[in-house]
Amino acid sequence: GAGVSQSPSNKVTEKGKDVELRCDPISGHTALYWYRQSLGQGLEFLIYFQGNSAPDKSGLPSDRFSAERTGGSVSTLTIQRTQQEDSAVYLCASSLNSYSNQPQHFGDGTRLSIL
Amino acid sequence: ILNVEQSPQSLHVQEGDSTNFTCSFPSSNFYALHWYRWETAKSPEALFVMTLNGDEKKKGRISATLNTKEGYSYLYIKGSQPEDSATYLCASGTYKYIFGTGTRLKVLA
Repeated sequence: GAGVSQSPSNKVTEKGKDVELRCDPISGHTALYWYRQSLGQGLEFLIYFQGNSAPDKSGLPSDRFSAERTGGSVSTLTIQRTQQEDSAVYLCASSLNSYSNQPQHFGDGTRLSIL
Repeated sequence: ILNVEQSPQSLHVQEGDSTNFTCSFPSSNFYALHWYRWETAKSPEALFVMTLNGDEKKKGRISATLNTKEGYSYLYIKGSQPEDSATYLCASGTYKYIFGTGTRLKVLA
């Protein structure tokens, strides 16, 4: 079956521009997560959606970052007024539910480069 | 331990060698320990989810053990092959994982 799909796979943009990253989770998965991996760093939690509950935004690094999940399916991560430190691989994952024994299924990521 | 730590950071082994690496995690309020394999240019792939102290899981030549009381898990690869080359990540927590920085394994033919 189809896995988690992310687009674009690569994005190069100038500092100060806004970018939008898209994630299409596995059908039927109620939990969706965004992470990023900066160069030399581990995976950093950004935001979590579970069903119709309010998202856990505690990992968003600044108010330039926002995310939404429409209709409980597709999610978009938006970064406004991008900075060079935003350059990273942004990964989306989904899981059947939010129980800790459920593995997360990852997309291939979006590699974001800010010039 | 306040964070999830993995060691070594990287290692090179010869084809056919067996190897193992460590994940250390906070032992208090433990929920689950996850292992992922992340090949270059691919997405992380779930290997194991472990929840009980003493758990041992196996998938082919790869196996893992869990000690929740002392807060560590070992991942073992028996008879390493070049296709095992990847970064191996562990994560602990509830829905909001804390990931380690990974062990980068290179298997030399």
